[in-house]
Amino acid sequence: NAGVMQNPRHLVRRRGQEARLRCSPMKGHSHVYWYRQLPEEGLKFMVYLQKENIIDESGMPKERFSAEFPKEGPSILRIQQVVRGDSAAYFCASSPVIAGDSTDTQYFGPGTRLTVL
Amino acid sequence: AQSVTQPDIHITVSEGASLELRCNYSYGATPYLFWYVQSPGQGLQLLLKYFSGDTLVQGIKGFEAEFKRSQSSFNLRKPSVHWSDAAEYFCAVGAQGKFQFGAGTQVVVTP
Repeated sequence: NAGVMQNPRHLVRRRGQEARLRCSPMKGHSHVYWYRQLPEEGLKFMVYLQKENIIDESGMPKERFSAEFPKEGPSILRIQQVVRGDSAAYFCASSPVIAGDSTDTQYFGPGTRLTVL
Repeated sequence: AQSVTQPDIHITVSEGASLELRCNYSYGATPYLFWYVQSPGQGLQLLLKYFSGDTLVQGIKGFEAEFKRSQSSFNLRKPSVHWSDAAEYFCAVGAQGKFQFGAGTQVVVTP
């Protein structure tokens, strides 16, 4: 069973360009989460999605950032008009169906390291 | 609001010595607790988790952690550290599908 896949692993963009980060969850997982890790900091929650639904986007910046998890295909984190402060590692995690109030384990991908020049 | 505190930013330990990493959490109910390890340039790997039951949980790579409700703590331990344990360790609290991570503890292992 393949783990969480993220691509690209490294992405370089110039200021003002768009960045698209992809995440394919583990097989059988229908919940996807995106986190951002700045240098020497922990992971900060950005958004929680299920297929075709955004469940919690309380950690997403109000502008330029968007996320989707379509019925088919990977989840996409999109950053428009990137700025230098967007340089970070972006991690995706997935979990299986959450039953009741339980919180199941999140399994992480290897991350995408975005560098904005 | 839930929060996680890892008081030690950096720990240096000799190979073969014991290791304990501290984690304190703040949450209204009993949370789900996790420890992850991150090697340089890599993603996070789950070491162990606590949902309920026995408060001493065993994980991979010889790690264990103890949940202490009275102290709101979930400290990670390993009796004898190996050089390959050098990494960054993150404690996390999960509730309603949302994870809150601590800032991490960087572990350096000396010969």
